[in-house]
Amino acid sequence: DSGVTQTPKHLITATGQRVTLRCSPRSGDLSVYWYQQSLDQGLQFLIQYYNGEERAKGNILERFSAQQFPDLHSELNLSSLELGDSALYFCASSGNSGSRGEQFFGPGTRLTVL
Amino acid sequence: AQSVSQHNHHVILSEAASLELGCNYSYGGTVNLFWYVQYPGQHLQLLLKYFSGDPLVKGIKGFEAEFIKSKFSFNLRKPSVQWSDTAEYFCAVNAGSSNTGKLIFGQGTTLQVKP
Repeated sequence: DSGVTQTPKHLITATGQRVTLRCSPRSGDLSVYWYQQSLDQGLQFLIQYYNGEERAKGNILERFSAQQFPDLHSELNLSSLELGDSALYFCASSGNSGSRGEQFFGPGTRLTVL
Repeated sequence: AQSVSQHNHHVILSEAASLELGCNYSYGGTVNLFWYVQYPGQHLQLLLKYFSGDPLVKGIKGFEAEFIKSKFSFNLRKPSVQWSDTAEYFCAVNAGSSNTGKLIFGQGTTLQVKP
């Protein structure tokens, strides 16, 4: 157990819908990262938040957004869902914002868009 | 843009065989390098990391990796694999000069160890 929790574990929804994925970082960790893992794209960095503020952005679609709340949990919102958004979404956390912080990964949320 | 390439997508070995998984990255500046492992049904875990200093780094469970700057490589090795090493292995790179922890991952290598 990494100490990072993600809910829900599985999510099945239809095209055009909107979903929210939730992540609680390890106690004391200020940085939260979101990654998408799909068969064709592999593991891709989406976005990083540090202490409530966006720190880095990857190939995140405009239909996707995220935020980190004062209690440091984070939510990833996916809207106007398409079949291609089906993937495993991982959250990770680390104690700092920098490049040397070990990231601890959650178990992931498997999203299936039908 | 940074990218990471893992040469072997699927490796099958017998127990006690030696393992070497290739990883090459493309980035001209200072890098921090990582290997993560994902055991079946589990979350990603850090195996080892390289920031600076001795290019041969040792990680958990008998794994080691060697950073060869001239070859932009960070290959993972283990002298003798066990059935419990069956997992997916990911190489990852972070631009050392950045102020973020953004990781660029390779496509992953699935290792199957036969008992």
